[in-house]
Amino acid sequence: AQSVAQPEDQVNVAEGNPLTVKCTYSVSGNPYLFWYVQYPNRGLQFLLKYITGDNLVKGSYGFEAEFNKSQTSFHLKKPSALVSDSALYFCAAGSYSSASKIIFGSGTRLSIRP
Amino acid sequence: GAGVSQSPSNKVTEKGKDVELRCDPISGHTALYWYRQSLGQGLEFLIYFQGNSAPDKSGLPSDRFSAERTGGSVSTLTIQRTQQEDSAVYLCASSPQGVMRETQYFGPGTRLLVL
Repeated sequence: AQSVAQPEDQVNVAEGNPLTVKCTYSVSGNPYLFWYVQYPNRGLQFLLKYITGDNLVKGSYGFEAEFNKSQTSFHLKKPSALVSDSALYFCAAGSYSSASKIIFGSGTRLSIRP
Repeated sequence: GAGVSQSPSNKVTEKGKDVELRCDPISGHTALYWYRQSLGQGLEFLIYFQGNSAPDKSGLPSDRFSAERTGGSVSTLTIQRTQQEDSAVYLCASSPQGVMRETQYFGPGTRLLVL
């Protein structure tokens, strides 16, 4: 069965420092992977996705993520955090070899302190 | 252009009552998804509509939950005989073709509280 793990419920980072939000996945076959962000009282917004090609994917608001097949990971990163990055972040995964729906992780709350 | 809209934004109901939640997808999007987001939980898939195909209802938690999509556009999620554990945020999303590797566009959600 497909699964997505976000091992940290909360990540706290000082403004200006680099941030990492972790995600690991388990799917059969080649994966496609997403990061979505949810600001308070809003729906989810797309940040970036890996479908195929370069392992380093760049997305909105200066975020990037690296697909690591051997570690089955797709960690979200940003070199310099902003207070406005504080939100709930969801990783999601699906598989080319399966027609089933994508699976979302449980979310990681990112808190950036001034 | 207009995004995905949902109504109502908030709904408070009494246990045992029925509720209807509405979703207006982005115009031209053939696929529509419903998810449930409970406190401290991830997104739980409920149901998926793709064009004229039979919907994928595999995520509906019980027979109290049903959904329909009329004319390939607006969708209504109905919860009958609501229970307190149904309290959650219900999110709707749409995508252009329903291919799972597509980006999904989410509405703001309906926050349901069952007393």
